[in-house]
Amino acid sequence: NAGVTQTPKFQVLKTGQSMTLQCAQDMNHEYMSWYRQDPGMGLRLIHYSVGAGITDQGEVPNGYNVSRSTTEDFPLRLLSAAPSQTSVYFCASSYIGASYEQYFGPGTRLTVT
Amino acid sequence: GQQVMQIPQYQHVQEGEDFTTYCNSSTTLSNIQWYKQRPGGHPVFLIQLVKSGEVKKQKRLTFQFGEAKKNSSLHITATQTTDVGTYFCAGSAYNAGNMLTFGGGTRLMVKP
Repeated sequence: NAGVTQTPKFQVLKTGQSMTLQCAQDMNHEYMSWYRQDPGMGLRLIHYSVGAGITDQGEVPNGYNVSRSTTEDFPLRLLSAAPSQTSVYFCASSYIGASYEQYFGPGTRLTVT
Repeated sequence: GQQVMQIPQYQHVQEGEDFTTYCNSSTTLSNIQWYKQRPGGHPVFLIQLVKSGEVKKQKRLTFQFGEAKKNSSLHITATQTTDVGTYFCAGSAYNAGNMLTFGGGTRLMVKP
């Protein structure tokens, strides 16, 4: 099993550009989520999904879109990048249910200039 | 909304000293999870606590969940250089499903 994979590992964008961060998992997990990590602020939930076709907003959803067309993939789209979106982005997945641990991908380090 | 506070933000210790990080939630939690993130890495699950007053041990690590299920702690006995990293608590509120609210983390640095 590859676990949770994310691409790209690093990305530099100019303000106003758009891009998609890819996330895939091969553990047949129903729950997938996106977090951003900023220094001293822990991980903040952006969007999450409890299954294919179902997504919902987390704590900091503005400026981001998601879709879940398959169980395996959960891409995160930045519509018009802003410097405030400079961060490390982690995708995570787990089985449904609060008692399940979340598995994190290796992260994407995004810089918006 | 739910808030999870973690202290201290940073901790420098000499190898062999003990270390403790504390986690406090603004609301009662259904469970709390702890994760470790090595420098440059991603969070890795350590443990989950579910019951009021629960205490769990993993070798030199001791995890506690408060009686009111609003606070938790992680204690490391006799730190080693391999303990270096950031430790996060993450709480799950009742009826929140899989949604976790993370604390800000405690960064542990160990001097050999």
